[in-house]
Order: sequence, then structure tokens, then C-alpha cells
Amino acid sequence: KNQVEQSPQSLIILEGKNCTLQCNYTVSPFSNLRWYKQDTGRGPVSLTIMTFSENTKSNGRYTATLDADTKQSSLHITASQLSDSASYICVVSVGGGADGLTFGKGTHLIIQP
Amino acid sequence: DSGVTQTPKHLITATGQRVTLRCSPRSGDLSVYWYQQSLDQGLQFLIQYYNGEERAKGNILERFSAQQFPDLHSELNLSSLELGDSALYFCASSARTSGYNEQFFGPGTRLTVL
Repeated sequence: KNQVEQSPQSLIILEGKNCTLQCNYTVSPFSNLRWYKQDTGRGPVSLTIMTFSENTKSNGRYTATLDADTKQSSLHITASQLSDSASYICVVSVGGGADGLTFGKGTHLIIQP
Repeated sequence: DSGVTQTPKHLITATGQRVTLRCSPRSGDLSVYWYQQSLDQGLQFLIQYYNGEERAKGNILERFSAQQFPDLHSELNLSSLELGDSALYFCASSARTSGYNEQFFGPGTRLTVL
């Protein structure tokens, strides 16, 4: 069964600190992996999309890594800001249509001043 | 602002009732996706339409149905509502239908069934 597990479930850090969120998946065959940021009560916003051949992708202070051999991905946030408080969702695709997407439950990140 | 619009923003109704949620995709996007997000649950894919045709189906209940109209807007119909249907319902759109296309999400409709 295709699964995406994210850890930690929740995380609290101080403003200005760095943090790393983890995503492990058992989805096969793998097509691409996405990270989304979802503010409370709002729709998810795409941060990065990585295919099998990409192992690092950055979007400002967000850097995603992918190890397709170990089926692990991480999202590193540098110099956190209060606006980074949100849920971060890892989504893995087997390709094809939307029924091939498997969503993680997300990591709830809180940045404290 | 993703360019995807959803109405209404909030909806409160009673068990057994029927409601319709509306979504307008980004200009030029042909694919529309519907998702359900319950409290403390991840996003659950319900159904996808591409240029008016149903393209993919996920965990959509038989009480739920959707359609995409010639102007590409989409509606999700939920009937015989139960308490457990209370959730955020998101619509997303993408330019095409392949799994690599980025999906842009709307602001969601919060449905409360009393």
C-alpha cells in the first residue's frame, strides 16, 4: 500500500532558528515528490516539486532534498520567520492522474518570537 | 492568491441535506481536482475533471458527485449529508492532467453539518 509518513507531527522553534522536516514514502513506482505549505484554514501552496533525478531544490529559505534510493525527503527551513508557521505537507506521485497522489498528514510548525 | 476561486467560503447545514460547492479554475487551466480535508486528517483526493470529462476518481462517496461545465468551472454536489462530512473542501486546478503538473489550490469551502 502506498504511504507517506511525515515527522515530526508537530514542531515548535524560535524565530530565526533552522529546522528540518522529514518525509518517508513507500509509493511505487515513483514519479515526483512535492512539498506544500498550508496556512491554517487556507489552501496549500506549492513550495517545490522534484522528480526522480533531482536531489535538491530550493525556493528562497526552503530547501528540499530527495533520496530516491532510501525513499526519503526532507524540507529544511533556514532562518525561520513567524510567517513560516503552517502545516507542511509532503505529496508523492506515481505519475499519471491525480489518483496517483499520496498525501502525508503534514507537520504542524509553530514559530515562536 | 492562486487564481482559483471557491464559493461559498462557509456553509452550515443539517444532516440529510444537499449542498453544492462551486469552483472556478485559474484562467487557462483545464484540470480541476476536488479534495476533502477533515480535522487532523490529510488531504483526501475525491475526483478530477479534465476539459469537461471525468479523468480520475479517488475516495469519493456515492452520495457525492461532481461535474465540470463547458466554461470549465466545476461543482461538487454533496447529498444526504452526515455529521462526518463536516470538513474543508478544496478545489485545485492545473494546466494539464499529467502527474507532474503543479496544482494550484483555492481557499476552500468549510462545510459544517449539524
